[in-house]
Amino acid sequence: GQSLEQPSEVTAVEGAIVQINCTYQTSGFYGLSWYQQHDGGAPTFLSYNALDGLEETGRFSSFLSRSDSYGYLLLQELQMKDSASYFCAVTGNNRKLIWGLGTSLAVNP
Amino acid sequence: GAGVSQTPSNKVTEKGKYVELRCDPISGHTALYWYRQSLGQGPEFLIYFQGTGAADDSGLPNDRFFAVRPEGSVSTLKIQRTERGDSAVYLCASSLYLGGPYNEQFFGPGTRLTVL
Repeated sequence: GQSLEQPSEVTAVEGAIVQINCTYQTSGFYGLSWYQQHDGGAPTFLSYNALDGLEETGRFSSFLSRSDSYGYLLLQELQMKDSASYFCAVTGNNRKLIWGLGTSLAVNP
Repeated sequence: GAGVSQTPSNKVTEKGKYVELRCDPISGHTALYWYRQSLGQGPEFLIYFQGTGAADDSGLPNDRFFAVRPEGSVSTLKIQRTERGDSAVYLCASSLYLGGPYNEQFFGPGTRLTVL
């Protein structure tokens, strides 16, 4: 079967750094994406890794290790507005996204 | 429009009724996806289109669900004989093309379907 595993909940304080891990087992792999979703909102794209290594975009970075079937999203200088659900998703065979169950991030003052 | 739009934003219907959910993708995007999302879950893939044709409909739960995209732009998801278990947020997304180097999908706000 196909599966993605990520922690269900993470709590952190403003200004801190948090890492959300994702391990995957899928039929075929083209890349790992991360999406953010606020309560009641639609998912919005954060990053995409097709090759091993770290991609940095402002306060957010995403890492991929294809040999380990593992990636993570790193959020730095956390702000209250970062409180949301974060989903990892793999582009697998047929080029469709396979989604994890999401990590609920709570940022406290 | 600037983004993906979906109508209606909310739909309440009775068990056994027929509903249609509409998605208007970003102009020029050739790929269109339908998902549904229940509370506390990730998006569940239903179907995607490349142009007018359904490239993969393996996520449709049963034959009560059907989707069309006749002119390669607007898509309609159709649900017959609705059941209470169909209640969810139905999300539509589009991308410039299918599975390119940056498979960024742009999501609409969703349609919240409630079946009483």
